[in-house]
Amino acid sequence: GAGVSQTPSNKVTEKGKYVELRCDPISGHTALYWYRQSLGQGPEFLIYFQGTGAADDSGLPNDRFFAVRPEGSVSTLKIQRTERGDSAVYLCASSLNRQGNQDEQFFGPGTRLTVL
Amino acid sequence: EDQVTQSPEALRLQEGESSSLNCSYTVSGLRGLFWYRQDPGKGPEFLFTLYSAGEEKEKERLKATLTKKESFLHITAPKPEDSATYLCAVQASGTYKYIFGTGTRLKVLA
Repeated sequence: GAGVSQTPSNKVTEKGKYVELRCDPISGHTALYWYRQSLGQGPEFLIYFQGTGAADDSGLPNDRFFAVRPEGSVSTLKIQRTERGDSAVYLCASSLNRQGNQDEQFFGPGTRLTVL
Repeated sequence: EDQVTQSPEALRLQEGESSSLNCSYTVSGLRGLFWYRQDPGKGPEFLFTLYSAGEEKEKERLKATLTKKESFLHITAPKPEDSATYLCAVQASGTYKYIFGTGTRLKVLA
């Protein structure tokens, strides 16, 4: 079956512009995570959705970052007034998140964001 | 503060030369410890979940173990295709947030 997909695969933008990054999780997966990964670093947690709601958004670095998941499937990460420091690979992961089980996360290939 | 430290940062092995990767963690109650493999340009791929000290899991040439302070990923007789970055992550009790280490870049030479 299809895995987690992310679009676009690459995004180049100018400082100060607005960008949207999309994540299509595996069908039926209720849990969805966004991470940011800089070169040579591990993924950095941004936000976790359980269904349509953001259960934990403590990793969002500031109010320029926002994410939605209106129908409990596709999610969009939105970044306003982009800065050069926002350049990174943005990863999305989904899991079944069955009650009481730590289900494995399935990661997408990521979106490489470059802010010039 | 919850923290994960992986060592070494990089490791070069000859094919067939067994070794271990270390993941030290500090967390306020462990919900689970996770190992992932990441190939260049791709997202991490799940390997193992460990829940409590003393637990071990195996998959092909890989074996993961867990103590109260660290986890080891043992690689037995590695092959060049095992070359990748291996990531460790923890999840604390009462949270769904995953904290990743910076990874160990493994290179296995033929």
